[in-house]
Amino acid sequence: VQLVQSGPEVKKPGESLKISCMGSGFDFGTSYMGWVRQMPGKGLEWMGVIFPYDLTVRYRPSFQGQVTISVDKSINTAFLQWSSLKASDTAIYYCAKESYGDVEYWGQGTLVTVSS
Amino acid sequence: QSALTQPRSVSGSLGQSLTFSCTGTSSDVGGYNFVSWYQQHPGKVPKVLIFAVSQRPSGVPDRFSGSKSGNTASLTISGLQAEDEADYYCSSYAGHSAIGLFGGGTKLTVL
Repeated sequence: VQLVQSGPEVKKPGESLKISCMGSGFDFGTSYMGWVRQMPGKGLEWMGVIFPYDLTVRYRPSFQGQVTISVDKSINTAFLQWSSLKASDTAIYYCAKESYGDVEYWGQGTLVTVSS
Repeated sequence: QSALTQPRSVSGSLGQSLTFSCTGTSSDVGGYNFVSWYQQHPGKVPKVLIFAVSQRPSGVPDRFSGSKSGNTASLTISGLQAEDEADYYCSSYAGHSAIGLFGGGTKLTVL
C-alpha cells in the first residue's frame, strides 16, 4: 500500500490550491480516504473523509465550507482543495487510508505555506 | 466537537513502563472499539502503533499495548527505550459526526 502526495506549495493569501494523494496497492474505490491537518508545532486534526465508491464526503464541522475534498477514481487519487487560502491554512496536510477513524496508512504529507 | 483529552507531557526512565491516557465520551471512545494510537517523531509522518483499541500492526513491537475502559483508552509502553521519545496521539471514531477525532497529543520525554 502506498499513498503518494503532491509536493510542497507556497501560495499567497487569496490564491486557490488543490493538492493530491495517489493511492496504490489497495482497492481505492472501496476504501475511505481522509485528510488530516497538522499546523506548525500543533497536533493532528481530522478534516474530512471521502468514500470514493459513492463520493460521499463527511467534513469535521470546523472545516465545512473551508475546503473541498474530492476524488478521481479513474486515477486512484484524492484531492484537497481551497478556493481562497489564508495564512492560517499554513500546515502539513496528510492523506490517510482510514477505517472508522483508525488510520491504516499515511501519505508522506504535503507542506502548504501561505504567506504574502 | 472537542478533541479527546490527553496529558500534554509525560516522562519516564529507560526500562520503565508508562501508560498514556486518552479520555473521551460515550459518543466516541466509550461507544466504539475504534481507538487508535500513533507515534510521531519530530518532522516525521505519524506511525500507527495500535488500532481497534488493542491490535498491533505487523512490525510494531509487543512493548506497545492498548486497552480501553469506559470512556478512557490507554497506551502502555513497556521497557521504555530512548527511541520512544516522541509525540503520541490517540484517535477515536466519533459516531455523531461519522469521522475520527484526535487527542491533543502527549509528548514523551525519556530520562
